[in-house]
Amino acid sequence: GAVVSQHPSWVICKSGTSVKIECRSLDFQATTMFWYRQFPKQSLMLMATSNEGSKATYEQGVEKDKFLINHASLTLSTLTVTSAHPEDSSFYICSASRGQGNQPQHFGDGTRLSIL
Amino acid sequence: GESVGLHLPTLSVQEGDNSIINCAYSNSASDYFIWYKQESGKGPQFIIDIRSNMDKRQGQRVTVLLNKTVKHLSLQIAATQPGDSAVYFCAVNLNTDKLIFGTGTRLQVFP
Repeated sequence: GAVVSQHPSWVICKSGTSVKIECRSLDFQATTMFWYRQFPKQSLMLMATSNEGSKATYEQGVEKDKFLINHASLTLSTLTVTSAHPEDSSFYICSASRGQGNQPQHFGDGTRLSIL
Repeated sequence: GESVGLHLPTLSVQEGDNSIINCAYSNSASDYFIWYKQESGKGPQFIIDIRSNMDKRQGQRVTVLLNKTVKHLSLQIAATQPGDSAVYFCAVNLNTDKLIFGTGTRLQVFP
């Protein structure tokens, strides 16, 4: 159990385009979902924490108007990179947690975003 | 706050040998610890976790040891196989939903 699906796995688009990434928990209800960004050969950097039905909590330095997060149901969270530019190119990974005390986060397989 | 470090950026082991990956954390109030394995181009995969009320936990071919006195965590992989080659991250939870990830150790398994 605890499968998280992320879609799309790879996006290439022109500068100025907005890109939406979906994160779904397939076999459990995810009270909390997380969005990370990972640069090559680096660790995961938390961008925001998303709770179902409420506004996301963004980490310091992450622009909430740039990275729009919606967590409309217990199985789906979306990240929209608005007006993407080449510096937004990165590997974006979501995770989901049942959110009941100390529970492991289960990760999707990431989305490789390349902005031309 | 919490900071997490890893002792070695790369670990090379021969197939069949045991691997030990270490991690240090800074906040003694940290209460939940997880090891993840990340293969190239994929998301982190949960390996094993341990709570602060335990010192040791075993899974299939893996053992996690927690030394709260020195704030040290280790992952032991028995009989390392080529399929174990990946980057391994420790992650630490400070009684919140958020995890703080270490910098990662690349495990290379050679025949």
